[in-house]
Amino acid sequence: LAKTTQPISMDSYEGQEVNITCSHNNIATNDYITWYQQFPSQGPRFIIQGYKTKVTNEVASLFIPADRKSSTLSLPRVSLSDTAVYYCLVGAQGNNAGNMLTFGGGTRLMVKP
Amino acid sequence: DTAVSQTPKYLVTQMGNDKSIKCEQNLGHDTMYWYKQDSKKFLKIMFSYNNKELIINETVPNRFSPKSPDKAHLNLHINSLELGDSAVYFCASSRAGRNTEAFFGQGTRLTVV
Repeated sequence: LAKTTQPISMDSYEGQEVNITCSHNNIATNDYITWYQQFPSQGPRFIIQGYKTKVTNEVASLFIPADRKSSTLSLPRVSLSDTAVYYCLVGAQGNNAGNMLTFGGGTRLMVKP
Repeated sequence: DTAVSQTPKYLVTQMGNDKSIKCEQNLGHDTMYWYKQDSKKFLKIMFSYNNKELIINETVPNRFSPKSPDKAHLNLHINSLELGDSAVYFCASSRAGRNTEAFFGQGTRLTVV
């Protein structure tokens, strides 16, 4: 599975837009890019997934350049409750061998008042 | 209704004991997982189980074994517990196929003394 690299931590203030970039230089053709959020003492929670270009949902946007070697999770107007660890995952999913969701180190986002 | 539930939430036990953690999902998913999150917060995939096919992370000691009595359950058995097994263990499930998200349980904090 493709290895991912993210900043270890980021700080932001309430109301700001936060962009977290993940590098995945050896992404394979059939790999998807998925982001999860984890609050303390809870399991990770799916945020967004994409393959190319831009994906947007009610929580976040995901920007993927044409070469797909990186991706950026964008959180608009963060609040204190967005303080969490954000994980970028890259890998194919399917009902065959290799359906192993592998998490990297994640980015610890601290939102300050 | 809780989608993925684990019991117990906390487990304190002595070295050398054998223990089990139960996991149940009511989402009708085909694939279930076990993850270990250590004190440094790294999430490591341990097992993936799909349609009676078990995929094992080769770094997991054979003291750990998953047992699936049916499609909705994947229990984790640990024999001869060691101090280094202390961690938070997360169960998760997902549908097979692409563009699927994984749903995680709340975790079981295992402390070996």
